[in-house]
Amino acid sequence: EDQVTQSPEALRLQEGESSSLNCSYTVSGLRGLFWYRQDPGKGPEFLFTLYSAGEEKEKERLKATLTKKESFLHITAPKPEDSATYLCAVRAQETSGSRLTFGEGTQLTVNP
Amino acid sequence: EPEVTQTPSHQVTQMGQEVILRCVPISNHLYFYWYRQILGQKVEFLVSFYNNEISEKSEIFDDQFSVERPDGSNFTLKIRSTKLEDSAMYFCASSWTGIWDTQYFGPGTRLTVL
Repeated sequence: EDQVTQSPEALRLQEGESSSLNCSYTVSGLRGLFWYRQDPGKGPEFLFTLYSAGEEKEKERLKATLTKKESFLHITAPKPEDSATYLCAVRAQETSGSRLTFGEGTQLTVNP
Repeated sequence: EPEVTQTPSHQVTQMGQEVILRCVPISNHLYFYWYRQILGQKVEFLVSFYNNEISEKSEIFDDQFSVERPDGSNFTLKIRSTKLEDSAMYFCASSWTGIWDTQYFGPGTRLTVL
C-alpha cells in the first residue's frame, strides 16, 4: 500500500527564517511526486511535480527536491503570505486511474 | 488562466437525501477526478473518470456514489442517500492526460449532512 508521511505536522517560522518540509514515501514505482499548497477552506493549489531522483524545481521562495525515498520543500526567506498547509502526494506505477495518495500535510505559519 | 470550478460552494442536506455536486473541469482536459477531505484529515481519492468510464475507484466509492459527465463541460458526483459521515469537502480535479500529468483541483464543495 502506498504511504506518504509528512513532517513536521506544524512549523512556525519568523519572516526570513528559512527551513525545509519533509515528505517520505513508500510506493512501488513512482510515477510522480506532487507538492500542493492549501489555504483554509480552499482546494489544493499546484506547486511542483517531480518525477525522478535528483530532480529539482524552483518557484520564487520555494524549491522542491526528490530522492528515492523522500522529497523536501525548501522555503527560503519566507513571508507571512507563505503561511498555508503544504501537501505532498504520490502517484504509483500500478494505479490504473492515476490516483494520488496524499500525506497529512505540514501547516506552516510565518510570523511577521 | 483556466481553472476548475465547482458548485455549490456549500451544500447542507438532511441524512438520507440525495445530493449532486457539480464540477466544470479545465476545458481541454480528458481525465477527471473526485477527492474528499474530512475536516482535519488528509485528502482522499474517490474516483477517476476517462472516456465516459470509471477508470479507478477507491474503497470509499461504494454503491451510494456515482459519477457522470452529462454534457461536454460538466462532471458530477451523486451521493444517493447521504450519511452523517459523508460530511466533508469534496474536490474535483482534472488533468490533460492521466498517467504522467498534473491534476488541477477546484475550490471544493463543503457538504454538511445533518
